[in-house]
Amino acid sequence: DAGVIQSPRHEVTEMGQEVTLRCKPISGHDYLFWYRQTMMRGLELLIYFNNNVPIDDSGMPEDRFSAKMPNASFSTLKIQPSEPRDSAVYFCASSLVWASGGPDEQFFGPGTRLTVL
Amino acid sequence: GNSVTQMEGPVTLSEEAFLTINCTYTATGYPSLFWYVQYPGEGLQLLLKATKADDKGSNKGFEATYRKETTSFHLEKGSVQVSDSAVYFCALKGGNEKLTFGTGTRLTIIP
Repeated sequence: DAGVIQSPRHEVTEMGQEVTLRCKPISGHDYLFWYRQTMMRGLELLIYFNNNVPIDDSGMPEDRFSAKMPNASFSTLKIQPSEPRDSAVYFCASSLVWASGGPDEQFFGPGTRLTVL
Repeated sequence: GNSVTQMEGPVTLSEEAFLTINCTYTATGYPSLFWYVQYPGEGLQLLLKATKADDKGSNKGFEATYRKETTSFHLEKGSVQVSDSAVYFCALKGGNEKLTFGTGTRLTIIP
């Protein structure tokens, strides 16, 4: 299996521009998670989906952020307009369902390093 | 709510030294506990896990025991290698579906 695939790996943009990050989860996985990692705040869960349905978006920092999962093999995280404080590494992760319910081990993608100038 | 507190880094050790990275947690009920590792330029990957009290997770020479009485899940390795240099994250999964991560501990092993 190719693992979780994220694109682009690096993105440099200017403040005010729209940014779209993409994720392809592992085939057959039921859950998809979006995280943000910064030195100051560590690893933060932004939103997660179960069977393409958003379950919890309480970690989305503000209305400039939106995420979609139109089908089981693709998800996007969009920032519009972007700001310098959005600079971070964004990770996507996916998982199967645990035997007792809920997500099992999460498999992380390599991340997208976003720099907003 | 759930929380994870892990040892402040960075930690620097010589090759073949003994490693301990402390992790304690606060959670209601009976969470599952995890250690994830992040190598430079990569995403996190599961190192080991334990799903109930007194369970020991182990992988690649690393071990951690789920201690309910001390609410701890300390990571240990008897003899570290340069290739173990990475950032290590302790995490728990409680009644909800989300993982709660610690802040990470950066480990550097020098030859």
